[in-house]
Amino acid sequence: DTAVSQTPKYLVTQMGNDKSIKCEQNLGHDTMYWYKQDSKKFLKIMFSYNNKELIINETVPNRFSPKSPDKAHLNLHINSLELGDSAVYFCASSQELAGRYTGELFFGEGSRLTVL
Amino acid sequence: GNSVTQMEGPVTLSEEAFLTINCTYTATGYPSLFWYVQYPGEGLQLLLKATKADDKGSNKGFEATYRKETTSFHLEKGSVQVSDSAVYFCALSGYSTLTFGKGTMLLVSP
Repeated sequence: DTAVSQTPKYLVTQMGNDKSIKCEQNLGHDTMYWYKQDSKKFLKIMFSYNNKELIINETVPNRFSPKSPDKAHLNLHINSLELGDSAVYFCASSQELAGRYTGELFFGEGSRLTVL
Repeated sequence: GNSVTQMEGPVTLSEEAFLTINCTYTATGYPSLFWYVQYPGEGLQLLLKATKADDKGSNKGFEATYRKETTSFHLEKGSVQVSDSAVYFCALSGYSTLTFGKGTMLLVSP
């Protein structure tokens, strides 16, 4: 059973299209994240949700909209895709311990988005 | 703000060689420190962590010691294997998020 699963694993699309990436975790964690990894492997946090509530919203174009229907799911919708959106997008989850952030994240396998 | 600096890669070693990947940090307060590993085609996995000064984290033969006086958390392994080829990320915890270094690719040849 995969702990954090993302779909699709690969996504190739044209500029201007709208696409979504889905993420589900079966670990019972309260917090979920989206990270973007560029071609140089640099990781940047995009969003964080805790119990369906948006906690972190880094400087990300508003073409990116996260949605958390329940605490086990965090989807990422991207409108009007641009060439610079090509990257690997990782979903992750974590659980606080005694009300404190632990820094122990569980990552999905990533969704490689290629915009042509 | 918080930041993490790692040595640039790739680091290329022969099997059974000694590995060191340097990591230094800048942070306010007393963060926890982490090493994450990303194998080809996979997501990141927690390799080891240390939560306070002088703590040593260890896992799978890898070790790192939290050195507050030098603000460092260098990753070491005594004898690397081909299967250790991956990208290694040093990270520190803030209030509600991790700050990652840029990653160091390790390539181990037989």
